[in-house]
Amino acid sequence: EIVLTQSPGTLSLSPGERATLSCRASQYISSSYLAWYQQKPGQAPRLLIYGASKRATGIPDRFSGSGSGTDFTLTISRLEPDDFAVYCCQQYASSPTFGQGTKVEIK
Amino acid sequence: DVQLVESGGGLVQPGGSLRLSCAASGFIFSSYEMNWVRQAPGKGLEWLSHISSSGSTIYYADSVKGRFTISRDNAKNSLYLQMNSLRAEDTAIYYCARDEYYYDSSDYYKGMDYWGQGTRVTVSS
Repeated sequence: EIVLTQSPGTLSLSPGERATLSCRASQYISSSYLAWYQQKPGQAPRLLIYGASKRATGIPDRFSGSGSGTDFTLTISRLEPDDFAVYCCQQYASSPTFGQGTKVEIK
Repeated sequence: DVQLVESGGGLVQPGGSLRLSCAASGFIFSSYEMNWVRQAPGKGLEWLSHISSSGSTIYYADSVKGRFTISRDNAKNSLYLQMNSLRAEDTAIYYCARDEYYYDSSDYYKGMDYWGQGTRVTVSS
């Protein structure tokens, strides 16, 4: 099983600041099979990024993904109030697994 | 609009069974691969099972293999999860989610692009 480890666990930032979230895989995965999701309390996850760097339909361009191999990053260029949520990565390279999530909270 | 609506959750005793359903609408259900994903209280997401568009190919997470069975009825636009031998650690919100494939000139990609609102399963005596 490929384990995805996200860091930090919690990120405390102010609106307008830049958020950088990390997702590290326990073994190499093709960037084609790495996705990012946003989840707000009481809601289902929302697909943000697929293929490590490609924004899903309707996702604002302040969200960007990058990385390859075992290290992947989700960046939110300027946080808006609606962006404070939990973000998790997911891999499809083998039996799908999710990271444990990074909570982006208002500082 | 694409909609996925889960049902069938509830309170069940350890060792009991439940059958979850996911009603799909707004898209050609028979063309899409589908998944079940759960989230235990205060925990992250856990993928459970995947079924191909025709139902011929199925995968399970080790945590549920032999206890849970995924199936679909394309004529009824419905996805199911039969859960047997339930344990306290199966307590979670259960989501159905659609797999979408994306293509460009060099490769293909996947993402779970639509999710239901979830149905809560509580396993307790």
